[in-house]
Amino acid sequence: SAVISQKPSRDICQRGTSLTIQCQVDSQVTMMFWYRQQPGQSLTLIATANQGSEATYESGFVIDKFPISRPNLTFSTLTVSNMSPEDSSIYLCSVEEDGNQPQHFGDGTRLSIL
Amino acid sequence: QKEVEQNSGPLSVPEGAIASLNCTYSDRGSQSFFWYRQYSGKSPELIMFIYSNGDKEDGRFTAQLNKASQYVSLLIRDSQPSDSATYLCAAPNYGGSQGNLIFGKGTKLSVKP
Repeated sequence: SAVISQKPSRDICQRGTSLTIQCQVDSQVTMMFWYRQQPGQSLTLIATANQGSEATYESGFVIDKFPISRPNLTFSTLTVSNMSPEDSSIYLCSVEEDGNQPQHFGDGTRLSIL
Repeated sequence: QKEVEQNSGPLSVPEGAIASLNCTYSDRGSQSFFWYRQYSGKSPELIMFIYSNGDKEDGRFTAQLNKASQYVSLLIRDSQPSDSATYLCAAPNYGGSQGNLIFGKGTKLSVKP
């Protein structure tokens, strides 16, 4: 399965700032996904990122708050904008290598906002 | 809204026992199901997936799927303290991509030595 690397692994940020999280895959993949896991909660999909098109956002998530880039088949970024303490979460990148394979997750980015 | 339901636990079993984790789902059209294990502070790790009715075995793990009852379970035989983790059940949220998953809240398993 693909090896997924996320950067940074963790960060502590100030309220009102923005942070960009990077996700690098060691092989070309069609679909990449960004999830959020709030403290003590399960995973919630933020958006699906396909190369060459706008990301598709789930209900409750908007592009202004979580802009996503997908410049090629091995890389994506998620930006958490104008952060507030409610954005303190683990942000996870995952990939689907083809239509019949289950997805795998990167190690995640643990984000705390003061 | 499609849902995946799990008992949050905690489920406590003694070492060597069988741990049984259960999951129900609302979408009768769901065709595939996934079990992830998540250790505290770590990201989810895929341990089993099942597409067909019946049982699927992989080492100490057995996934069971009953589409008529909309029920999927994970059995862990000879439970070890290292199996102590939160187990997440997931199913596709839409008919297409398996990557677009909806997750249950997870069951926390504790295996006592």
